[in-house]
Amino acid sequence: GAVVSQHPSWVICKSGTSVKIECRSLDFQATTMFWYRQFPKQSLMLMATSNEGSKATYEQGVEKDKFLINHASLTLSTLTVTSAHPEDSSFYICSDSPGDTEAFFGQGTRLTVV
Amino acid sequence: QKEVEQNSGPLSVPEGAIASLNCTYSDRGSQSFFWYRQYSGKSPELIMSIYSNGDKEDGRFTAQLNKASQYVSLLIRDSQPSDSATYLCAVWGGSNYKLTFGKGTLLTVNP
Repeated sequence: GAVVSQHPSWVICKSGTSVKIECRSLDFQATTMFWYRQFPKQSLMLMATSNEGSKATYEQGVEKDKFLINHASLTLSTLTVTSAHPEDSSFYICSDSPGDTEAFFGQGTRLTVV
Repeated sequence: QKEVEQNSGPLSVPEGAIASLNCTYSDRGSQSFFWYRQYSGKSPELIMSIYSNGDKEDGRFTAQLNKASQYVSLLIRDSQPSDSATYLCAVWGGSNYKLTFGKGTLLTVNP
């Protein structure tokens, strides 16, 4: 399956600061990347879809000004959590597939905002 | 709103037993169905995919799909302690082309 590499695996930041999460496709060219968020004991929820060379598509209820997504190349998509607050603490995961066929996920990033 | 429901856990089975995990979904037009395994603190990894009615076997794992009943299940035979994890049911297609996950069922296999 496709290899998706996500970095960092965990990060602790102070409230009010910004954090960038990277997702790289290692063995394929990704025109789209899918960003999920998982709160403890909850299901994964799609946040947004990044599109190479164009604007990201955000799911209802996700603040696009808070969660900045950039997909500047066919191998790199980034999610920046701006002005992070404790309620943004979560597990963020990227994936290469919309889900019609098998989706492979990055390693995930555990964000803790203190 | 597409929903995916999984049987409430946690589920505990002895080593060597069969573990049965169940999932129902609300969108009758759903087309693709997946079981993922998620270890604590890790991202999901694909266990099985199934697209048509019936059974699909892969080693110790068997997925069953019944679209008429909107039901998907996963059987794990000869359960091993290493199978202890949260199992996520995921569904794609229908009213929206997004992968929708259930909350997961925590499985513990006792040695």
